[in-house]
Amino acid sequence: GDSVTQMEGPVTLSEEAFLTINCTYTATGYPSLFWYVQYPGEGLQLLLKATKADDKGSNKGFEATYRKETTSFHLEKGSVQVSDSAVYFCALSKAGGYNKLIFGAGTRLAVHP
Amino acid sequence: AAGVIQSPRHLIKEKRETATLKCYPIPRHDTVYWYQQGPGQDPQFLISFYEKMQSDKGSIPDRFSAQQFSDYHSELNMSSLELGDSALYFCASRKGKGADRSNIQYFGAGTRLSVL
Repeated sequence: GDSVTQMEGPVTLSEEAFLTINCTYTATGYPSLFWYVQYPGEGLQLLLKATKADDKGSNKGFEATYRKETTSFHLEKGSVQVSDSAVYFCALSKAGGYNKLIFGAGTRLAVHP
Repeated sequence: AAGVIQSPRHLIKEKRETATLKCYPIPRHDTVYWYQQGPGQDPQFLISFYEKMQSDKGSIPDRFSAQQFSDYHSELNMSSLELGDSALYFCASRKGKGADRSNIQYFGAGTRLSVL
């Protein structure tokens, strides 16, 4: 079945460091891909998305490119801040139908001053 | 802008009791999804509704039922609660069935259910 695999955390970085969180997916067809962020005690917020191959989603300095050839959607940020500390979920939804989201296991990011 | 509203935010129940979680989607959103997130886990899809009809079903226990009402709000009913039901329950809403890839799901803040 369809699935999402994320790198395990926690990821611990110093402020202003470069961030990469790896995400790969298995799905038939052409899914849409998403990154959601969950801050402590809060719900899920959409960070960015890409709906077709080679699309680049970006928001708040975060970027991810939909790579169909490697079935990947890695999240990157050039310079992280303490306020970026959260859990990041990669997710996919299939085209058409009712588009339930299938999530990866989540990666906890901790940024220290 | 109006967001997805879930109530209650926190709920404490004893084993074998029942619980009802409510979700009020963003205005004009006709599709509602329910997800369950166990401690340290990723959210798992439970069930969804489109135009008041069940549209998809995931790993929802038989002890749980849900429905979407004429005003598009949805309720998740949980009976014979077990310790393992303790989790964060999210509701998400969207406009339309999903043929438009630009439509995304917007999540509520969740209901944290603790079963003692």
